[in-house]
Amino acid sequence: AQKITQTQPGMFVQEKEAVTLDCTYDTSDQSYGLFWYKQPSSGEMIFLIYQGSYDEQNATEGRYSLNFQKARKSANLVISASQLGDSAMYFCAMREGQGNNDMRFGAGTRLTVKP
Amino acid sequence: GAGVSQSPSNKVTEKGKDVELRCDPISGHTALYWYRQSLGQGLEFLIYFQGNSAPDKSGLPSDRFSAERTGGSVSTLTIQRTQQEDSAVYLCASSLGRERTSYEQYFGPGTRLTVT
Repeated sequence: AQKITQTQPGMFVQEKEAVTLDCTYDTSDQSYGLFWYKQPSSGEMIFLIYQGSYDEQNATEGRYSLNFQKARKSANLVISASQLGDSAMYFCAMREGQGNNDMRFGAGTRLTVKP
Repeated sequence: GAGVSQSPSNKVTEKGKDVELRCDPISGHTALYWYRQSLGQGLEFLIYFQGNSAPDKSGLPSDRFSAERTGGSVSTLTIQRTQQEDSAVYLCASSLGRERTSYEQYFGPGTRLTVT
């Protein structure tokens, strides 16, 4: 079964605007972590932000924030004030608290920022 | 400090040959992961090592794929009798361990494998 679902294969946003990248997840664990990674065209995977399942507040890191809705099992990434350098693939991932703790990734969303 | 390194960065091989891909994790990281990423696709989990525990091999696509981790550090992913569908970027990642879900993974630059 798919653990992480990213329903937007591609997204476009105007420079300086905000954009939301969707992510839903499936787990029966109470303890888990949610991650977002950015992969520019150069190929490296860059860690952006983390949200723990017990965290009461939404995580924020600079222009990145995570809209965590636990009951809906969604962990959307919000990028504010988009920049041209934000154009990249974005992957949502989850690590469950039980079991082997391997991280599962979604299929990704390709974001293109228009000037 | 040094990040995760992988070698070679690019590998072109003929169908049917064996290949070995190497990963050097960040020093002190007990968890090591291998992923495969086909062009324009997401990351496909292959195998996970945690300390001296038996690896989680649940993601290996066939018995042509194997991996080992020597001394809890360097890992080698071996693909025997390569097929054209094995062509992909192979990414290695390491993290501090499994004790906390918050430990993010640090990725290497990947090895681009092309099977002709």
